[in-house]
Amino acid sequence: KQEVTQIPAALSVPEGENLVLNCSFTDSAIYNLQWFRQDPGKGLTSLLLIQSSQREQTSGRLNASLDKSSGRSTLYIAASQPGDSATYLCAVRDYGGSQGNLIFGKGTKLSVKP
Amino acid sequence: GAGVSQSPRYKVAKRGQDVALRCDPISGHVSLFWYQQALGQGPEFLTYFQNEAQLDKSGLPSDRFFAERPEGSVSTLKIQRTQQEDSAVYLCASSSGPSNQPQHFGDGTRLSIL
Repeated sequence: KQEVTQIPAALSVPEGENLVLNCSFTDSAIYNLQWFRQDPGKGLTSLLLIQSSQREQTSGRLNASLDKSSGRSTLYIAASQPGDSATYLCAVRDYGGSQGNLIFGKGTKLSVKP
Repeated sequence: GAGVSQSPRYKVAKRGQDVALRCDPISGHVSLFWYQQALGQGPEFLTYFQNEAQLDKSGLPSDRFFAERPEGSVSTLKIQRTQQEDSAVYLCASSSGPSNQPQHFGDGTRLSIL
């Protein structure tokens, strides 16, 4: 059974710092991996989607990498801003089940202090 | 609308009551998913529809949970004889179909059972 782990559970950094969030998964047979952002009381906003054949994806100050063989992904945030404060969730879509559902980690709660 | 719409945003019910949660996916999206998110946890898969067909309901926690999507667009998640452990945020997501497409989430319904 696929399990997704995110480390650290919480992170506090000063504004302007570059940071890395980590995600690991136990079964490398995945279609893709998706990073989300969740603000308090809100749903999930998709940040980046990496297909299993890809190594990384970039969007603005965000860069996500995927190493399928080792079961790891990282989300790199450059020049962090207070508006980046949120919970970041990693999820994989694997070959099990209906091939549709995502399996999530518990998230990393990020706080960027001005 | 432009995004996934869920209603109500908040629902309070007494233990034993039945509740119905609605999801209006992005227009034209054939795939629809329901997830349950407990406080401090990542979302967990409940059920998946492709058009009107419920292809996977393996995540539904008990036979008190029932979901439908009769015309392949709007979906309703119904919980009968609610219990306190049903208190959670219920998230709906839709995607354009294939497994390699991103899922787009609504803001969820926060359900509290007293």
